Amino acid sequence: DQQVKQNSPSLSVQEGRISILNCDYTNSMFDYFLWYKKYPAEGPTFLISISSIKDKNEDGRFTVFLNKSAKHLSLHIVPSQPGDSAVYFCAAKVASGTYKYIFGTGTRLKVLA
Amino acid sequence: NAGVMQNPRHLVRRRGQEARLRCSPMKGHSHVYWYRQLPEEGLKFMVYLQKENIIDESGMPKERFSAEFPKEGPSILRIQQVVRGDSAAYFCASSPTGTEQETQYFGPGTRLLVL
Repeated sequence: DQQVKQNSPSLSVQEGRISILNCDYTNSMFDYFLWYKKYPAEGPTFLISISSIKDKNEDGRFTVFLNKSAKHLSLHIVPSQPGDSAVYFCAAKVASGTYKYIFGTGTRLKVLA
Repeated sequence: NAGVMQNPRHLVRRRGQEARLRCSPMKGHSHVYWYRQLPEEGLKFMVYLQKENIIDESGMPKERFSAEFPKEGPSILRIQQVVRGDSAAYFCASSPTGTEQETQYFGPGTRLLVL
């Protein structure tokens, strides 16, 4: 049972344009969400997080939006750069009582120069 | 300012052998998490440890797998009598205090190949 879903396995975007990566979840108890970026042969690198008390969090070129009623979050990268080409994972957790992250299967982003 | 360190980066074992994966958390971090990534899948939680204690092992297979985080030295994930299905990337993460909304920082992973 996949509680965190990233339905687009891959995405290609032109340099300078916006990249939008989507993530859906099924567990209404999740109340903390994170995005990680992963290059080949490396570990995931933390990008940005959001608590369920917010609907938006911004850090430089990266913005995460959370729609709790739709159980949906998205990561916007503006403007996209070739160095952003990587696999992006969203992860979720129940903030109280557990420490484990539940990861999606990832979306491979390719930013074309 | 070293990050999370894992070794070996690559490990090849034959079926039935033992695999030992090591993880040294970031300096000042006393909480360690192990995740496994099978091909074409996301990372799946295995176990959460503090120094000398296993806090949550709900993601660990019941047999052949064990983990420890001794008072001195790295955390060890041990897989006995490996089978081909154990081939995966194993990632370790660490955090400073284990509080609820704390970010986990990942190491580069150990890629285990079972022949």
